[in-house]
Amino acid sequence: AQTVTQSQPEMSVQEAETVTLSCTYDTSENNYYLFWYKQPPSRQMILVIRQEAYKQQNATENRFSVNFQKAAKSFSLKISDSQLGDTAMYFCAFRHSGNTPLVFGKGTRLSVIA
Amino acid sequence: DVKVTQSSRYLVKRTGEKVFLECVQDMDHENMFWYRQDPGLGLRLIYFSYDVKMKEKGDIPEGYSVSREKKERFSLILESASTNQTSMYLCASSNPRGGGTEAFFGQGTRLTVV
Repeated sequence: AQTVTQSQPEMSVQEAETVTLSCTYDTSENNYYLFWYKQPPSRQMILVIRQEAYKQQNATENRFSVNFQKAAKSFSLKISDSQLGDTAMYFCAFRHSGNTPLVFGKGTRLSVIA
Repeated sequence: DVKVTQSSRYLVKRTGEKVFLECVQDMDHENMFWYRQDPGLGLRLIYFSYDVKMKEKGDIPEGYSVSREKKERFSLILESASTNQTSMYLCASSNPRGGGTEAFFGQGTRLTVV
């Protein structure tokens, strides 16, 4: 079975600083997709960024970027210029290609401090 | 704007009651999912459905059942609610064409069983 591990239950960062959230996963497949979701206190889960395993280039979305290391099965999220609105739970998720559900990690609670 | 709507944001039920959690999506997605979210455990898959009248067990189906009579609606049923089913329940939907498509989430239902 696939597993996703987030080793940092809680993190904090000063406003305007950079923070990196860690995620590792386990799979024997070669083709899959990775996601980072954000869940703010309002509870609405929203997609932050996604990465296709067959793409070597790391995905970037504005202040959010990933460091995808396929051989190490690592998928970390970097948030640059942290803002108060980035305070949320962050979940790393994995999905095989095709018709399969997302598998989630246990989450990292990020607090951005003014 | 894409939307997944859960019928209740907060729900309080008594032990032994039959509980229905409703989820409706307006994106014509084939795939729908029910997750349970608990602190420190992340999101765990209860059931999912790839088509009308079709269902598959997830990781923690015990004590739950589901119904999908129409494509847009996916119901989670607690046959006889117990206090250990007190939790946050999240519904999601996705397009099955391509594993990289994101899942869209509802706002969650916080269920308390007393």
